[in-house]
Parts: sequence; C-alpha cells; structure tokens
Amino acid sequence: DVKVTQSSRYLVKRTGEKVFLECVQDMDHENMFWYRQDPGLGLRLIYFSYDVKMKEKGDIPEGYSVSREKKERFSLILESASTNQTSMYLCASSGYRSSYEQYFGPGTRLTVT
Amino acid sequence: AQRVTQPEKLLSVFKGAPVELKCNYSYSGSPELFWYVQYSRQRLQLLLRHISRESIKGFTADLNKGETSFHLKKPFAQEEDSAMYYCALRRSGYSTLTFGKGTMLLVSP
Repeated sequence: DVKVTQSSRYLVKRTGEKVFLECVQDMDHENMFWYRQDPGLGLRLIYFSYDVKMKEKGDIPEGYSVSREKKERFSLILESASTNQTSMYLCASSGYRSSYEQYFGPGTRLTVT
Repeated sequence: AQRVTQPEKLLSVFKGAPVELKCNYSYSGSPELFWYVQYSRQRLQLLLRHISRESIKGFTADLNKGETSFHLKKPFAQEEDSAMYYCALRRSGYSTLTFGKGTMLLVSP
C-alpha cells in the first residue's frame, strides 16, 4: 500500500511564527504536491516538486515556500504564519508513469491564532 | 487556463434514488478527467478516471467532449456513498491536477 504520512494531524501556531509541515512518502514517487483544502474552495495547489531539489509554484504560492532535499520528503514552510493561512493542508505524491493518480496524506489542520 | 466547475456544493438524496454529480470543464486541449472521493475521516482517493471507462462502486462517468462534461452517475445511491466528491482535470503532458470545488453527497435512509 502506498503510504503518505504527514508530521502532524493538528497544529496550532501564533501569528508570525515560522511553521514547518512535513510529508513523507514510501513509494519512491517522483512527484509530490502540497494543497490547501478549504470549504467552498476545494483543493488548491500551493507548490509541487517533480524531483529532488526541484520545485514549481502552484496556484497559490504566496506566503509559502517548500523544500525537497530527499526524494521521499517534501516540506511546506510558512515563513510568517498569518490567520488567513488557517486551513487543512494535504500532501500528495504520484509516480512518473502513473502521474494521474495522486496518493494523499491524512492532512494537517493548521490553526493560526 | 483550465477550469473545473462543480455547480452543486451539496446534493442530498434518499437511499435507492439515482445520483448525478455534475462536472464541467474548460480546456483547449485534450484533457484527462478524474473523480476523487473523500469519505468521512478518510483520505482523499481516486474513484475513477475517464480513460478506464470502469464502474467503481456502482459509479460511472462518461466524458462528453461536446458538452465539456464529466458527470458522475449511480443508478441507486447507498448510505455509504455519502462523501465529498471532487472532479479533477489533467492537462496533456502535465503531472498536476486541477480540482473543482467539490460536491458533498448526502444519502439519507
């Protein structure tokens, strides 16, 4: 079974804090993605990576950065958290040959107060 | 730019009734369309893709290029079908998916 894990299920941070969300996959997938999921807005792509040290902006990259130093790990960084970044964050991965199927992690619900 | 539209935020039906979740897309090329599903307290997962033309859990979806639609259908809804459903599009040659805003399906007994 493909397994995508995220470091925390719930996280509460204060405005201005630096926040790290980590994602690890165990299927040797080339592609990894970070989304935020908000009611009424669906899934919106923040960043994705198709290889180690490679990253591409998604639809809403402002206020976020990412890091991919190892193939299995993809980190999302909020340099200075703001209340409008309160959301559910989903990580996903997919293989090069079957990139249509993304495997999702359980999500991290981040609350910024 | 590509776009996926799911016009209904919520669809509420009774058990045994037919279900149709609507999905329309805009894309100038030849897209791949998918339905993803998220059951309560579970991960988002792929339900079906248009290329496979399969029936999964009784659901089917046909890509209608003329109407740019990919509606998800099931003839007889079950309570366990209650979930959030997302339609997604992949552009040719790309790894990323564009998701719609989702439709919550509630099936009542």
